[in-house]
Amino acid sequence: GAVVSQHPSWVICKSGTSVKIECRSLDFQATTMFWYRQFPKQSLMLMATSNEGSKATYEQGVEKDKFLINHASLTLSTLTVTSAHPEDSSFYICSARPGGLFEQYFGPGTRLTVT
Amino acid sequence: DAKTTQPPSMDCAEGRAANLPCNHSTISGNEYVYWYRQIHSQGPQYIIHGLKNNETNEMASLIITEDRKSSTLILPHATLRDTAVYYCIVKSNFGNEKLTFGTGTRLTIIP
Repeated sequence: GAVVSQHPSWVICKSGTSVKIECRSLDFQATTMFWYRQFPKQSLMLMATSNEGSKATYEQGVEKDKFLINHASLTLSTLTVTSAHPEDSSFYICSARPGGLFEQYFGPGTRLTVT
Repeated sequence: DAKTTQPPSMDCAEGRAANLPCNHSTISGNEYVYWYRQIHSQGPQYIIHGLKNNETNEMASLIITEDRKSSTLILPHATLRDTAVYYCIVKSNFGNEKLTFGTGTRLTIIP
């Protein structure tokens, strides 16, 4: 149980385009989902927290107009990287927390490369 | 969140117990100790968590000192698949407190 999926697992896009990454909780309902970013040889950095049906809360220094997060249902959150640039190339990881529990379950990550 | 201190890297022989230490001297009374690991190019995997008592599950054991200022994660019989970065995180379970990842310990299991 407690499986989180991400799609796509990797994506290459051209500079200036937008990319959408999906995060799904497959066997539980997630009232809260989190988005992290990880650069090579670095730790995970939290980008934003989203609760179903409400606006995401972004961490300091994360541009909310560039990283659009939608948490429209209890099993799906999406992260859209708008007008992507090469410096946005990174490993993006989502996690989901079941309602009433404290553990977070992580997706397998999406590797974004912007050329 | 209270900060944690972990050694940057450790080696362990396959089949032996891997003991990963974590210092969290400023932990407060309502903060739990969580352990996650991240195998290369994958998302983190939850291992175990505890408050003050020792905990054991199918993956590992967690030993927390009586003063709660440090803990040890024990993988009883390490295999090559246990090679990963292990993160010790302390956080409260109130509200929407977030998991904040430090640099972790890179554990390498040696054949």
